[in-house]
Amino acid sequence: AQTVTQSQPEMSVQEAETVTLSCTYDTSESNYYLFWYKQPPSRQMILVIRQEAYKQQNATENRFSVNFQKAAKSFSLKISDSQLGDTAMYFCAFIAGSPGGSEKLVFGKGMKLTVNP
Amino acid sequence: GEEVAQTPKHLVRGEGQKAKLYCAPIKGHSYVFWYQQVLKNEFKFLISFQNENVFDETGMPKERFSAKCLPNSPCSLEIQATKLEDSAVYFCASSQIPGSGKLQINQPQHFGDGTRLSIL
Repeated sequence: AQTVTQSQPEMSVQEAETVTLSCTYDTSESNYYLFWYKQPPSRQMILVIRQEAYKQQNATENRFSVNFQKAAKSFSLKISDSQLGDTAMYFCAFIAGSPGGSEKLVFGKGMKLTVNP
Repeated sequence: GEEVAQTPKHLVRGEGQKAKLYCAPIKGHSYVFWYQQVLKNEFKFLISFQNENVFDETGMPKERFSAKCLPNSPCSLEIQATKLEDSAVYFCASSQIPGSGKLQINQPQHFGDGTRLSIL
């Protein structure tokens, strides 16, 4: 069974600073996909960034980037130039990529990020 | 449509009553997923469909929960004899399947805005 662990329940950062959210996972699958979702107070689930396990290059989306360490099973999210609108719950999630797999997302428990002015 | 549409946004039921939630996936999306987010923010997978067929139901509490995705109708999640612990936000997500029938990284799951179910 796959598990996703987000060990920091809550973090705060000053506007314009950089913050890193940690995530580790456990799986026996050789191919899988990793995601970070953002859930603001409006409770919408917004895909922030995604990474295929077979790609060594870390994914980047504007101010968001990941540090994917496959051997360590670590998938951290870095937010640069934090903005007030980044205040939200952030969820790390995993999908196994094996043929015939469930395709369901397995989520971590989430981390509350507050960006202060 | 271009968005996953969930109705109602908020549903209030007395304990023991039935609750029915609806989800219209994005047009052309073949996979539908239901997730339950409880008050501690944890997500639990309930069930998934590939078109109208159940794909994975390993997360469904079998006794009181049921779900359907019928052609030309919104998908539904029904809870019989609701209990206080069923209070949660229920999210529906959909994704597109390419011709190979395999989920692709460039076709992630798109979430609806959720239905908040309150059991009193």
